[in-house]
Amino acid sequence: GGIITQTPKFLIGQEGQKLTLKCQQNFNHDTMYWYRQDSGKGLRLIYYSITENDLQKGDLSEGYDASREKKSSFSLTVTSAQKNEMAVFLCASSYNQDTQYFGPGTRLLVL
Amino acid sequence: GDSVIQMQGQVTLSENDFLFINCTYSTTGYPTLFWYVQYSGEGPQLLLQVTTANNKGSSRGFEATYDKGTTSFHLQKTSVQEIDSAVYYCAMSDFGSFNKLTFGAGTRLAVCP
Repeated sequence: GGIITQTPKFLIGQEGQKLTLKCQQNFNHDTMYWYRQDSGKGLRLIYYSITENDLQKGDLSEGYDASREKKSSFSLTVTSAQKNEMAVFLCASSYNQDTQYFGPGTRLLVL
Repeated sequence: GDSVIQMQGQVTLSENDFLFINCTYSTTGYPTLFWYVQYSGEGPQLLLQVTTANNKGSSRGFEATYDKGTTSFHLQKTSVQEIDSAVYYCAMSDFGSFNKLTFGAGTRLAVCP
């Protein structure tokens, strides 16, 4: 088996701040994903990456940057945090078109 | 575009009740359909999946049938337990899209002892 680790678990930021979320997986999966989870809206894809140094935009990429410098890690940056923003960011990985495995999430609150 | 609709935001049942969670989808392709379950404080995990080749999936007492005619993929369980309390997401992926998933809004299930 494997595991997906997301850091930090909780992130409190200030309006306008740049915030970075990190994700590590030891499944040796090729594809990694970042989703945003809002109450009542399900999960929405922000970015995904099919291999090291690849980046593909999802439906919700505006306001975010991503980086896949190694196969095992995928970072997400909120370029300018919005006041009163509250969401959970979920990282996932999969082997090609197979099942996606999710991490426990990073909970963001912007004051 | 692709969409997945879950109309029930919250379902409250007693133990041993029958569970039915509605899911309908819209796509022009031939999707694989999934149910994911998310327990409190955890990420979603796969509960079951079904492709066009096999119409029905089941896992841990849950069942879902893929109906192309009504474009539905409802989740059922005959007798729920308190440990089934969680959020259930219906999701869809299109072959060749690197497994990009489109999720429904989720249904929160609360099972009372």
